[in-house]
Amino acid sequence: DARVTQTPRDKVTEMGQEVTMRCQPILGHNTVFWYRQTMKQGLELLAYFRNRAPLDDSGMPKDRFSAEMPDATLATLKIQPSEPRDSAVYFCASGSGQGEETQYFGPGTRLLVL
Amino acid sequence: AQSVTQPDIHITVSEGASLELRCNYSYGATPYLFWYVQSPGQGLQLLLKYFSGDTLVQGIKGFEAEFKRSQSSFNLRKPSVHWSDAAEYFCAVRDTGFQKLVFGTGTRLLVSP
Repeated sequence: DARVTQTPRDKVTEMGQEVTMRCQPILGHNTVFWYRQTMKQGLELLAYFRNRAPLDDSGMPKDRFSAEMPDATLATLKIQPSEPRDSAVYFCASGSGQGEETQYFGPGTRLLVL
Repeated sequence: AQSVTQPDIHITVSEGASLELRCNYSYGATPYLFWYVQSPGQGLQLLLKYFSGDTLVQGIKGFEAEFKRSQSSFNLRKPSVHWSDAAEYFCAVRDTGFQKLVFGTGTRLLVSP
């Protein structure tokens, strides 16, 4: 049963600390998406990659957020420095990148910045 | 730009009763439409999707949805709700040319005994 995995599942940190979230897409999927879910904004796209290249990161605050795909099996989302307003659930999703593509979501990383 | 409206924030349904969750979208061309379900503390699970063809699509867990172009709607239905269906339901639209999903604000389903 192929799944998207995310680590850590929960993270509590203090303001100003660096946070790194990791995602392992489904094997063979070549598109990866990062979404953020908050009560206020709902689900919003932060960034997405195809074949490890960033295609759209317009939803991401550039001054503190960065997203990368060091290889096809790992995507990372970093926040440096973190702020309380970054508290949210961060979801990674992957897709096959082919035509009628479906995105499959990971379980999310629940981030709390104190 | 695409948008999705889920007009009901909360819905309470008695167990065994039928369910319909509303979703309206705004998109110029034929959209790709999705329904996802999120249980507390969990990720999003795909229930069903519409790309083309038959406008009535069947999904998992006994759910179905009907695409109505004239009404720009993609409502989710289930004939008999089970207590385990209590969750939050999200409708989403995807641009046929780009991969981005635009989500509605979600509808929280409560199931009463």
